[in-house]
Amino acid sequence: DAKTTQPPSMDCAEGRAANLPCNHSTISGNEYVYWYRQIHSQGPQYIIHGLKNNETNEMASLIITEDRKSSTLILPHATLRDTAVYYCIVRVGNSGNTPLVFGKGTRLSVIA
Amino acid sequence: NAGVTQTPKFQVLKTGQSMTLQCAQDMNHEYMSWYRQDPGMGLRLIHYSVGAGITDQGEVPNGYNVSRSTTEDFPLRLLSAAPSQTSVYFCASSRTLVETQYFGPGTRLLVL
Repeated sequence: DAKTTQPPSMDCAEGRAANLPCNHSTISGNEYVYWYRQIHSQGPQYIIHGLKNNETNEMASLIITEDRKSSTLILPHATLRDTAVYYCIVRVGNSGNTPLVFGKGTRLSVIA
Repeated sequence: NAGVTQTPKFQVLKTGQSMTLQCAQDMNHEYMSWYRQDPGMGLRLIHYSVGAGITDQGEVPNGYNVSRSTTEDFPLRLLSAAPSQTSVYFCASSRTLVETQYFGPGTRLLVL
């Protein structure tokens, strides 16, 4: 599976959009981009995933560049409860036998 | 559904003691996995299972044993605890390897 690079930390003002970047320049054509987050001391929580089209759900939006070498997770109106570590993970999405591999992620601090 | 449950929530062991961390899920998921998370680090995969009777090693399997006799349960055994195994342990399950993983609340283990 392709490796990912994320900034170690970011701050965001409450009510503003939080844009979390992820680089995955070695991504293969059949690899999906997954985002999970981990709120302090809890188990990770799935947010969203995509292959090449932009995706949106009730939690966030995922923007994947046309060359698929990077992506951005957008939390449209960040709240204090969004303070967490966000993990960007790239893996084969429709076949294969490899589980999720977590990196160190980005620690997002939402500030009042 | 209770989702993914883990017991105990917290455990203190002495070096050399053995114990089993319990994990159960009631979602009829085929895939289950164990991760450990050390302070300031991401999650590292210990062992995983793609179905009853089938297990495989992850990134850091040494010192841990697993078995999968039923779909619901995936216990993690420490045969001879060491201080290096002090960590927070998370169990996760999903319907398949490529679908959303659901995480348990974690077990905090301290080995003295």
